[in-house]
Amino acid sequence: AQKVTQAQTEISVVEKEDVTLDCVYETRDTTYYLFWYKQPPSGELVFLIRRNSFDEQNEISGRYSWNFQKSTSSFNFTITASQVVDSAVYFCALSDPWTTNDYKLSFGAGTTVTVRA
Amino acid sequence: GAVVSQHPSRVICKSGTSVKIECRSLDFQATTMFWYRQFPKQSLMLMATSNEGSKATYEQGVEKDKFLINHASLTLSTLTVTSAHPEDSSFYICSARRTGFSDTQYFGPGTRLTVL
Repeated sequence: AQKVTQAQTEISVVEKEDVTLDCVYETRDTTYYLFWYKQPPSGELVFLIRRNSFDEQNEISGRYSWNFQKSTSSFNFTITASQVVDSAVYFCALSDPWTTNDYKLSFGAGTTVTVRA
Repeated sequence: GAVVSQHPSRVICKSGTSVKIECRSLDFQATTMFWYRQFPKQSLMLMATSNEGSKATYEQGVEKDKFLINHASLTLSTLTVTSAHPEDSSFYICSARRTGFSDTQYFGPGTRLTVL
């Protein structure tokens, strides 16, 4: 069973629009970690955020914000006022070390965001 | 902080040759490093987990004899693709788990391998 589901394959927006990326996860652990990474065309994965399962506070960092809802097992990511430089593939990932007995990441399939000028 | 480098960034080789890819954590110690493979327009597929001073743990379906992993120090892990074939062409990415910050992996820039 897929642990992390990113149902949106591609999203295309015009600059300055907001875009929300969905992430739904599955785990039996009560303690786990969720991540978002950005992969621009250059290929390098850039760490954006880490959230542990006990911290349900939403977070905002500049134009980025994250909405963690344990009740629906979702960890959605919103880019406000998108810019062309936001064009990338965004991956949501889960680490559930008590189930896997290590800190392996389970990645979603990724969502390709294209921001048009 | 938390910078991971990979070398080389691109390599083209002939079928049957071996290729070594290095992964280094530049400003932190990494007890554990991970090797991933990524095909075009796909997600990352974990190949193996490498712990310093011990044998790597390979994921199901990954050939240990083909993808040799060595993690000789807290800042260096290497992946050697032995007797490479065109189907091994891919984007290989390493990550390092920062010792003491156990749950975050920092990724290298990746190595594009093309086997002719």
